[in-house]
Amino acid sequence: QVQLVQSGAEVKKPGASVKVSCKASGYTFTSNYLHWVRQTPGQGLEWMGVINCSGGSTSYAQKFQGRVTMTRDTSTSTVYMELSSLRSEDTAVYYCARGASESDYWGQGTLVTVSS
Amino acid sequence: QSALTQPASVSGSPGQSITISCTGTSSDVGGYNYVSWYQQHPGKAPKLMIYEVSNRPSGVSNRFSGSKSGNTASLTISGLQAEDEADYYCNSYTNNNSYVFGGGTEVIVL
Repeated sequence: QVQLVQSGAEVKKPGASVKVSCKASGYTFTSNYLHWVRQTPGQGLEWMGVINCSGGSTSYAQKFQGRVTMTRDTSTSTVYMELSSLRSEDTAVYYCARGASESDYWGQGTLVTVSS
Repeated sequence: QSALTQPASVSGSPGQSITISCTGTSSDVGGYNYVSWYQQHPGKAPKLMIYEVSNRPSGVSNRFSGSKSGNTASLTISGLQAEDEADYYCNSYTNNNSYVFGGGTEVIVL
C-alpha cells in the first residue's frame, strides 16, 4: 500500500534551518510528484511547493522563494524539504503529499517548532 | 498568490445538504479544471474528497460532489452526517505554475 513516512518533530532556534524527509513506498517513486504543505497552529493549509520525483524539477510558492529547497533521492525513494532562516512564524506541521494536481496520499506530518 | 476565498463556517442538520463555495480568479479557479477539495478532521492529515472539479476518488461517498462556475468552485455534501463535521479546503492550480489553498471552512452538523 502507498505510504509516506515523514521524519520526526524538530525544535529549532530562529535563524536556523530545518530539513524534513518524506520516505515513499508502495508505488513507483519516479512516476509521481510530491508536494509540501504546511499548517500553522489553528490555521489553514498553505502550499509550499512541489518536486517532480523523476527529473527533480521544482516549483515553489513565491512566499518561500529563496528560503525553501526541495530535493529527492531516487535510490531511497525519499524527498527532502529544507527551510532556512527560520522565524517563529514558521512553527507549523509540515506535510508531504503525493500527486500531480491533487494529492491522494499524505504523510503523517512533522511538527517544526521555532523558539529561542 | 492570495488564498482562495471560502466561508469560515457552514452548518446544517443531519440529512440536509450544504454547499461550500471557493472563489478565486481567472488566474486560478476560473482558468483551470484543477480544483480539488480536502476534508480534515482535528489532528489528522487532509483527505482528498474531490479532484479536477468534480471527480470523486475511489472510496469517497457519493454524497460529496463538486462543480464550478466561472471563478467559483463549490463542494456539496448531501445527506449530511455527523461524521462530515470537519474542516474543508479547496485547492487550485494557478497560472504561476503553483497551487493555492482556500482559507478553509468549518462544517458544523447541528
